Amino acid sequence: QVQLVESGGGMVQPGRSLRLSCTASGFAFSTYGMHWVRQAPGKGLEWVAFVWSDESNKFYADSVKGRFTISRDNSENTLSLQMNSLRAEDTAVYYCARWVDGYNYFDHWGQGTLVTVSS
Amino acid sequence: QSELTQPPSVSGAPGQRVSISCTGSSSTIGAGYDVHWYQQFPGTAPKLLIYRNTLRPSGVPDRFSASKSGTSASLAITGLQAEDEADYYCQSFDASLRARYVFGTGTKVTVL
Repeated sequence: QVQLVESGGGMVQPGRSLRLSCTASGFAFSTYGMHWVRQAPGKGLEWVAFVWSDESNKFYADSVKGRFTISRDNSENTLSLQMNSLRAEDTAVYYCARWVDGYNYFDHWGQGTLVTVSS
Repeated sequence: QSELTQPPSVSGAPGQRVSISCTGSSSTIGAGYDVHWYQQFPGTAPKLLIYRNTLRPSGVPDRFSASKSGTSASLAITGLQAEDEADYYCQSFDASLRARYVFGTGTKVTVL
């Protein structure tokens, strides 16, 4: 079955960096676009970033553009999110999610990893 | 800033019908993009509930249904059950350059 497992979350000071990973299994990872979606404590879902299946295109929310970088390693079935210049407002649970191309929805989600930005 | 607006909360007694609206714009739902719905219990990841406006993934009870018209969509739960108490989010695509993948503001369903 499809499994997405995030890791790498934790507490970090403002201005520092953190790298999240998402390990995929149970499906042909290299054929799916993948997203990061976050959820601040007590708030709604916010789309963060998207990478095509072949990594040829990447898209970012305005709130993270220039600070976050999404990448993937199809040989290792892993998705990553490099987060630099972190701010308090980046505090959230970060989910990786599989994308159904053409119909534009997320059909599987990881369990999430919590990132806390605080001094 | 979400491009899709939902009521913050709805409630109903067991067995009743509740409905959640999702209001978009001419660059989202009104542009013809599909609407999808997710269910989220506290402390857990969202789960796909409805896709492509009206379709239910395998395992989703048929008391959940959805529709789309114009710049809006709605999710209905008929025969409300205690286990349906959760947060619900709609999601679509935004054709403008500012945001591509948009979620609704979210609705908390409370079973009285």
